[in-house]
Amino acid sequence: AQKVTQAQTEISVVEKEDVTLDCVYETRDTTYYLFWYKQPPSGELVFLIRRNSFDEQNEISGRYSWNFQKSTSSFNFTITASQVVDSAVYFCALRDFGGAQKLVFGQGTRLTINP
Amino acid sequence: KAGVTQTPRYLIKTRGQQVTLSCSPISGHRSVSWYQQTPGQGLQFLFEYFSETQRNKGNFPGRFSGRQFSNSRSEMNVSTLELGDSALYLCASSLGFGAFYNEQFFGPGTRLTVL
Repeated sequence: AQKVTQAQTEISVVEKEDVTLDCVYETRDTTYYLFWYKQPPSGELVFLIRRNSFDEQNEISGRYSWNFQKSTSSFNFTITASQVVDSAVYFCALRDFGGAQKLVFGQGTRLTINP
Repeated sequence: KAGVTQTPRYLIKTRGQQVTLSCSPISGHRSVSWYQQTPGQGLQFLFEYFSETQRNKGNFPGRFSGRQFSNSRSEMNVSTLELGDSALYLCASSLGFGAFYNEQFFGPGTRLTVL
């Protein structure tokens, strides 16, 4: 069965600090997708990134970066020089390519950036 | 390009009633998924439709049902409402299903309160 674990329930940092959100996943499928979504206070989930299981290259997009390691089944998300606008709940998600093909979410990490 | 739209945004119902929620996907997207979000259970998958056919179903009772129309718009229905059905119901659309799956884009959600 698929499972996504975000062990950090809440993180609070001061603006401009770097922060890493952890994500560990479980799946029996060899082909799958990993995602990160952001949910600001407005409630709408905003897509951030998709990663295929066969592409372990790390990705950087501005202040955001993602570290995908199949050996440890982890897909961590780092925000560099955090800003107050980064405050939100962040979800990691997994979808098998075969099998059930359901999008399974972690419990989310509430990130608060204090000025 | 317009995003995913959901109507209504807020609903208040009483126990025993039924409710229908509507979702219009992004133009060109043919797959629609529904999720329930509660503080206790997090984001849980309800079902996914593609080409007017239910492709996947989560672990919810039969009171929860859905359908998709030929224009890809989708509705979900909850009958005999219970207090525990109070939640944010999110709809998401993606281009396709299976090999044609890409990331899902979410609507703003419908906040359902059952009294």
